[in-house]
Amino acid sequence: QVQLQESGPGLVKPSQTLSLTCTVSGDSISSGDYYWSWIRQPPGKGLEWIGYIYYTGSTFYSPSLKSRVAMSVDTSKNQFSLKLNSVTDADTAVYYCARGAGADSWGQGTLVTVSS
Amino acid sequence: QSVLTQPPSVSAAPGQQVAISCSGSSSNIGKNPVSWYQQLPGTAPKLLIYDNDKRPSGIPDRFSGSKSGTSATLGITGLQTGDEADYYCGTWDSSLRAGFVFGTGTKVTVL
Repeated sequence: QVQLQESGPGLVKPSQTLSLTCTVSGDSISSGDYYWSWIRQPPGKGLEWIGYIYYTGSTFYSPSLKSRVAMSVDTSKNQFSLKLNSVTDADTAVYYCARGAGADSWGQGTLVTVSS
Repeated sequence: QSVLTQPPSVSAAPGQQVAISCSGSSSNIGKNPVSWYQQLPGTAPKLLIYDNDKRPSGIPDRFSGSKSGTSATLGITGLQTGDEADYYCGTWDSSLRAGFVFGTGTKVTVL
């Protein structure tokens, strides 16, 4: 059974870059069977899709975040990562990584707070 | 601002049934399969339904999905207290390469 685990700083200062990594176990990113996604949820609000990456490094980002987002993949570590630059308090959210473009399995999520 | 509209809340007594609607457009639900997710309090979402009406392994048949035109519906029968959660629909939106979009979410309350 696939498991996903997000990791990274829980506090980021405004205007800086948010960086998170998702470690996958129980499945191989390099199998090419799935895309690998990032999704976020501001406190008390709904879900927002950020984008996905394929094992080849091919990406597809949400138009609303595209100018600030970068995703990467490290198949040797079975990990994929998210970078979001120029953050503001509107980027405070629980960030989830998930398997598949349609998210059939999710990590537990990690809260990232943007605050000085 | 989500492009998929759901009712903010629905409620019913234990054992009863509820239906949650998800309204979209020709560029999303009208063209692509719909998924449904359950988010229990304080936990990550979980996939309940994919490809409009398919259940992943382990999801009871009390949960069902359907789609017609630009709308989709999640049905829950035999409502249990453990079903109290937020439910989200989701699908791809083909307009302006919008990507995957989620519904506004529906809180199910078991009375």
